[in-house]
This record gives sequence, structure tokens and C-alpha cells, in this order.
Amino acid sequence: EDKVVQSPLSLVVHEGDTVTLNCSYEVTNFRSLLWYKQEKKAPTFLFMLTSSGIEKKSGRLSSILDKKELSSILNITATQTGDSAIYLCVRSGTYKYIFGTGTRLKVLA
Amino acid sequence: NAGVTQTPKFQVLKTGQSMTLQCAQDMNHNSMYWYRQDPGMGLRLIYYSASEGTTDKGEVPNGYNVSRLNKREFSLRLESAAPSQTSVYFCASRLWEGLSNEQFFGPGTRLTVL
Repeated sequence: EDKVVQSPLSLVVHEGDTVTLNCSYEVTNFRSLLWYKQEKKAPTFLFMLTSSGIEKKSGRLSSILDKKELSSILNITATQTGDSAIYLCVRSGTYKYIFGTGTRLKVLA
Repeated sequence: NAGVTQTPKFQVLKTGQSMTLQCAQDMNHNSMYWYRQDPGMGLRLIYYSASEGTTDKGEVPNGYNVSRLNKREFSLRLESAAPSQTSVYFCASRLWEGLSNEQFFGPGTRLTVL
């Protein structure tokens, strides 16, 4: 079955901590892997990864794809309470998108 | 630009009632999507429209129908609502051409079926 599995399912950390969120998938032939952040409303785009080993960065967030291991990680350094959200990993094909169940991150002040 | 808009924001239905969820985008995107999100389940694809005039089933199409009215609008219809369709529904769109594969999401419709 074509699944996207994220771990951990939930995580509680304190402000200033660094977190690593994991995503694994089963299909080797796909167009891209995306990360989204979802607070109380619609998901918002973070990163799109197409090439293995190339890190994408945006401020304190970074992500990398490992096609050999069929996985991706999302790192958040120096976490803030505003990082509290569900982080979604998505594998995209030509038209279809398969979402993971998400990692719920809570950052305590 | 409003991006992706959805109406209504909230809806309560009784079992067996019908309703249509509306979605529109003003970004001239080719592809449009309907998802449902249940607690602990992530987003699951109901139907999608790769381009104007085409629609295809996603992972969970049973109990739903869609219409791609024109390039801007993509509606989702529940003909006979069931409690299992209680969920948050998101519409999304994507340009399709070029390198970007990002989907843009609407604000969602929270539907409760009693």
C-alpha cells in the first residue's frame, strides 16, 4: 500500500529545544516530497524537495530528502511557542498527493 | 487576490440531507482538489480535477460527487449525508505547469452530520 508514515505522532518540547521530525514513504517513483505546517486552519507550505541530499532552509527550519532511505526529515532549531502546530509530510505524484498523518508539535514556554 | 475560497465555513446537516460545498480560486490554477481531514488521519483525497473538464476519484470518493464548473470553481456534493461524513473539508489548487508542485489550500469547511 502507498503510505506516508510520520514519526513521532506527537512531541512536547520546551522553547529553545531542537526537534527532528521524520517522514518515510514507500514509492520510489514520485515527483516531489513536501512539508506543510498546519495550525488551526489550512495547511501552509514549508518546503518542496525533489533531489536527494540537498538541504532546503528557511530561517530556523530545514529539510532534506534521502531517496536511498525513502525518507525525509524536518529540523526546527531554537523552537518557539509559535512553532506549535501539526507538521504534514506529503508525497506527490503527477496529480495525486498522499499525506502522512502528521506530527503534532507542542512547544512549551 | 483572495487565493482559494470555500463556502460555507460551517454546516450542520441531518442524516440524509444533501448539500454542496463550493470552492473557487483566482490564481488561474489548472488542478483542483477536495480533501477531508479527520482526527489522527491526515488529509485524504476525495476527488481531484487535473484540468478544466476532467475529474477523477481519489482515496475516499464514496458518497461524494464533484463538478468542475469552470477553471475557477470546483464543487463537492453530498447527496445523502451520513454521520461518517462529519469532517473538515479542504479545497486546494495547484498550477501544474512549471517546477512548482505546491498546493494552495482554502480555509476549510467544518461539516457535522447528525
